[in-house]
Amino acid sequence: AQRVTQPEKLLSVFKGAPVELKCNYSYSGSPELFWYVQYSRQRLQLLLRHISRESIKGFTADLNKGETSFHLKKPFAQEEDSAMYYCAPANSGNTPLVFGKGTRLSVIA
Amino acid sequence: GAGVSQSPRYKVAKRGQDVALRCDPISGHVSLFWYQQALGQGPEFLTYFQNEAQLDKSGLPSDRFFAERPEGSVSTLKIQRTQQEDSAVYLCASSSSGTGRNTEAFFGQGTRLTVV
Repeated sequence: AQRVTQPEKLLSVFKGAPVELKCNYSYSGSPELFWYVQYSRQRLQLLLRHISRESIKGFTADLNKGETSFHLKKPFAQEEDSAMYYCAPANSGNTPLVFGKGTRLSVIA
Repeated sequence: GAGVSQSPRYKVAKRGQDVALRCDPISGHVSLFWYQQALGQGPEFLTYFQNEAQLDKSGLPSDRFFAERPEGSVSTLKIQRTQQEDSAVYLCASSSSGTGRNTEAFFGQGTRLTVV
């Protein structure tokens, strides 16, 4: 069965500290992986996708097929990073995203 | 143009009442998705359209839930005989071509349904 796990419901870090939001997936085939973010009072939006290998707002995520993980990292957290973060795998092609339960990141000044 | 638009933003329904939730996707977007997000949970997939064809409705929780997209643009999610467990935020998303490689899903603000 397809499954995505975000083990931390809440993650609190101090401003300037490193951040790692964990995501593990269980999928057949080779899924594509995304991180979506929802800031307070805003709509859910794409943060980054593994295929692009890009850094967005200082965040990166590396796909580890051996560990079936796609953890989201940022070396120095900022207050504006406080939000809900969702890991979302999808099989390639026209298939819907499946979301994890999300991790609320709280960056403390 | 504008992003994905959902209406109403808030809906309070009495238990047993029927409701209809509307989604206006981004113009020209082929794919449209409905998700249900309960309080403190991630979005749960309900159903998916490619143009007017409903390709996947495996996430609809019961036969009280029905979705349509008759002209391949606007979609309506209908819930009949609402129950308290239907209370949630209903999210609509659209994308230019599925959610595969290099295709981003754009989300609406959601409709918060409260069944009393």
